Amino acid sequence: EDKVVQSPLSLVVHEGDTVTLNCSYEVTNFRSLLWYKQEKKAPTFLFMLTSSGIEKKSGRLSSILDKKELFSILNITATQTGDSAIYLCAPVIQGAQKLVFGQGTRLTINP
Amino acid sequence: GAGVSQTPSNKVTEKGKYVELRCDPISGHTALYWYRQSLGQGPEFLIYFQGTGAADDSGLPNDRFFAVRPEGSVSTLKIQRTERGDSAVYLCASSPRGPTDTQYFGPGTRLTVL
Repeated sequence: EDKVVQSPLSLVVHEGDTVTLNCSYEVTNFRSLLWYKQEKKAPTFLFMLTSSGIEKKSGRLSSILDKKELFSILNITATQTGDSAIYLCAPVIQGAQKLVFGQGTRLTINP
Repeated sequence: GAGVSQTPSNKVTEKGKYVELRCDPISGHTALYWYRQSLGQGPEFLIYFQGTGAADDSGLPNDRFFAVRPEGSVSTLKIQRTERGDSAVYLCASSPRGPTDTQYFGPGTRLTVL
């Protein structure tokens, strides 16, 4: 059975801190991995990672994939209160029709 | 529209009633997905449409749940004889061609069954 585990489940930090969110997965026929940010209801797309070891960057956010060790990390530097959200990861399985999401990491940034 | 839209944004109903939730995907996207998200959990897959047909409905929990997409655009998720356990946020997503494309989510419908 496909399995996605995110850690930590919850994280509270102060504005300006750097955070690292983890996503490990056990799936058959892995193709790529997606990261989403969910603030109220709609998850919004952050990154799609396909190749191992190649960092994707968008402003203060960056993410990298390790296909050998079956995990991905999402880094946020110089955090702001607007970064407070649930961060979801989901591997994309070749030939599958759906995304399997992790439980998410609830990130809270305090001023 | 520019993004995926869902209506209503909130729905409160009584146990045993029938509800319909609507999803309007991004124009031109052939793939449409429904997910259900309970509190503290990630979205859980329900059904995937490719065009008008349900390519995978393996996530529908039981036969009280049904979804249609008659013209390959708007989709309706239908729940019969609602139960309190059906209370959740129902999310719709669309992608340009299929599951290996990035999926773009709507704002969801929060369903509360009293």
